[in-house]
Amino acid sequence: EVQLLESGGTLVQPGGSLRLSCAASGFSFRSYAMTWVRQAPGKGLEWISGISGSGDRTYYADSVKGRVTISRDESKNTLYLQMHSLRAEDTAVYYCGKDWAAAVAGVDHWGQGTLVTVSS
Amino acid sequence: DIQMTQSPSSLSASVGDRVTITCQASQDISQYLSWYQQKPGKAPKLLIYDASNLETGVPSRFSGSGSGTDFTFTIDSLQPEDIATYYCQHYADVPPYSFGQGTKLDLK
Repeated sequence: EVQLLESGGTLVQPGGSLRLSCAASGFSFRSYAMTWVRQAPGKGLEWISGISGSGDRTYYADSVKGRVTISRDESKNTLYLQMHSLRAEDTAVYYCGKDWAAAVAGVDHWGQGTLVTVSS
Repeated sequence: DIQMTQSPSSLSASVGDRVTITCQASQDISQYLSWYQQKPGKAPKLLIYDASNLETGVPSRFSGSGSGTDFTFTIDSLQPEDIATYYCQHYADVPPYSFGQGTKLDLK
């Protein structure tokens, strides 16, 4: 059974940094791309970043480009999202997702989400 | 970047009704489109991929169609457990893979 468990969400001040983690199990981690999607309170889903199964290709939404880095650690079966220069508009539930292919595509399994709140 | 326009933004229907949601892409995305269901406080759930393929375990009352720029998602005979928000998402070309704005479905 595919399981994805996000962690790292917390209250952080504007301008601060945070690293989110997503521990994966139940599938061959290195064989699938992974994605981060966020959802601001009361709003819709926003795709923010994806990484190929091999880790050699990374992609970002314009809203986070230059402030966010996606990475993966095959030895730990863990996906990361390093975020810098956080703004109030980054407040959201962040979901990690397993893509259905080695290249970034669509998500077929989701974690439960972790809440990031940016506020002073 | 490709933009997705989903309509309506909200919809009220009765149990047993046929429900239809549309999604339009800003450029040709072939059949690289998926549909997700999200219930309050929960993660999204994949229902349809490649525009018309039903994900394993998803009831057959859900269906999708379309290609190019215009897509349709249908629920035949709405059930109480289908009350949720539905999103389309494209995965054509290279990321970012944007979502539609969502359609909130509730019971009339």
